[in-house]
Amino acid sequence: GENVEQHPSTLSVQEGDSAVIKCTYSDSASNYFPWYKQELGKRPQLIIDIRSNVGEKKDQRIAVTLNKTAKHFSLHITETQPEDSAVYFCAASMEGNEKLTFGTGTRLTIIP
Amino acid sequence: DAGVTQSPTHLIKTRGQQVTLRCSPKSGHDTVSWYQQALGQGPQFIFQYYEEEERQRGNFPDRFSGHQFPNYSSELNVNALLLGDSALYLCASSPRRKGATFGSGTRLTVV
Repeated sequence: GENVEQHPSTLSVQEGDSAVIKCTYSDSASNYFPWYKQELGKRPQLIIDIRSNVGEKKDQRIAVTLNKTAKHFSLHITETQPEDSAVYFCAASMEGNEKLTFGTGTRLTIIP
Repeated sequence: DAGVTQSPTHLIKTRGQQVTLRCSPKSGHDTVSWYQQALGQGPQFIFQYYEEEERQRGNFPDRFSGHQFPNYSSELNVNALLLGDSALYLCASSPRRKGATFGSGTRLTVV
């Protein structure tokens, strides 16, 4: 089955700087890669996703890049703000097959 | 528009008991998946329901079972509870071939 690895497990960034979280996946059949943000005690919220026919997708301060050949994808947050502090999870699945395999999470802390 | 709703929000059960968790999907969503999230871990896929049938199953024992009703709502049942079943149980709904929306979860504590 699919295996998703996520790094780093913790990340501290000065407010205003950029943060990058990286994930690798094992199953070349995976073609849908969402990122979720989970604040303490709350539900995971989808913040951005990318499909394998696209190499990069951007939504305001958040971007995701995908390298299908290397089987890795990354989340980029620019101009970080205190409200970006949360645990971020990457995931992989086969579109049309909505089982998500999650990474182990990255605890992002924005230092004011 | 209500999102994914789960009940109850918190639950305490004794080892060996049985529990039923409930989920109402977001309007327009027909696929429901259940995940178990242990503290400090990512969600782990339990199973998925579509058209009232279990379509996929993760690596969970038969003590975990489920059901989907004609209105797309779903139940997760866990029998013979173990201490290790203590976790946040998340329900996620989606239309076919689209991203999943998660509910706030049910925090199950087994004592």
